[in-house]
Amino acid sequence: DAEITQSPRHKITETGRQVTLACHQTWNHNNMFWYRQDLGHGLRLIHYSYGVQDTNKGEVSDGYSVSRSNTEDLPLTLESAASSQTSVYFCASSESERGYTGELFFGEGSRLTVL
Amino acid sequence: SQQGEEDPQALSIQEGENATMNCSYKTSINNLQWYRQNSGRGLVHLILIRSNEREKHSGRLRVTLDTSKKSSSLLITASRAADTASYFCATAPNNAGNMLTFGGGTRLMVKP
Repeated sequence: DAEITQSPRHKITETGRQVTLACHQTWNHNNMFWYRQDLGHGLRLIHYSYGVQDTNKGEVSDGYSVSRSNTEDLPLTLESAASSQTSVYFCASSESERGYTGELFFGEGSRLTVL
Repeated sequence: SQQGEEDPQALSIQEGENATMNCSYKTSINNLQWYRQNSGRGLVHLILIRSNEREKHSGRLRVTLDTSKKSSSLLITASRAADTASYFCATAPNNAGNMLTFGGGTRLMVKP
């Protein structure tokens, strides 16, 4: 069965370190997204990609970067982790629909703690 | 800023009762979607309603959409303890590509 997996599921790091969260989907979806979820803020979009070599900034992109070298993967990198980036991170993917935003398929989340 | 805002933020009911959650949004949309999230898990898509639809059903779920009021409601009938979860509305604004913007969610607790 097709799926979307995130790793690691839990990570503790220190302020200033670089962290990469992996996201891998086997749906063959062109669209991939990274959201963060915090109490009181719901889900906020960090970065998204509509295909290989395409990346775009979302609502809260400062301090984060992504790269899309193939269809299956969209790793999220925190260049220099800050305590404000302690959160639960969700990766999602969707099919490309012409003029239509389809349903998102979510991973199980990566809980990141920055000390 | 959040495009969608759910109301209430939390809801507690008894098993067998109906649960109604509301979502308001700000801009014109392509469609509106509802998702469910169990504690510690990812979000799962429940239902999608397009901007030219007014009502949609899926099992015990009923979704309405009023584009003139920029609002939607999710009704879960005959609730079960297993329906305990957080429910999120997500909007697809026009001209926003394939992005979805999520609200803050409604935490539903169904007591057995």
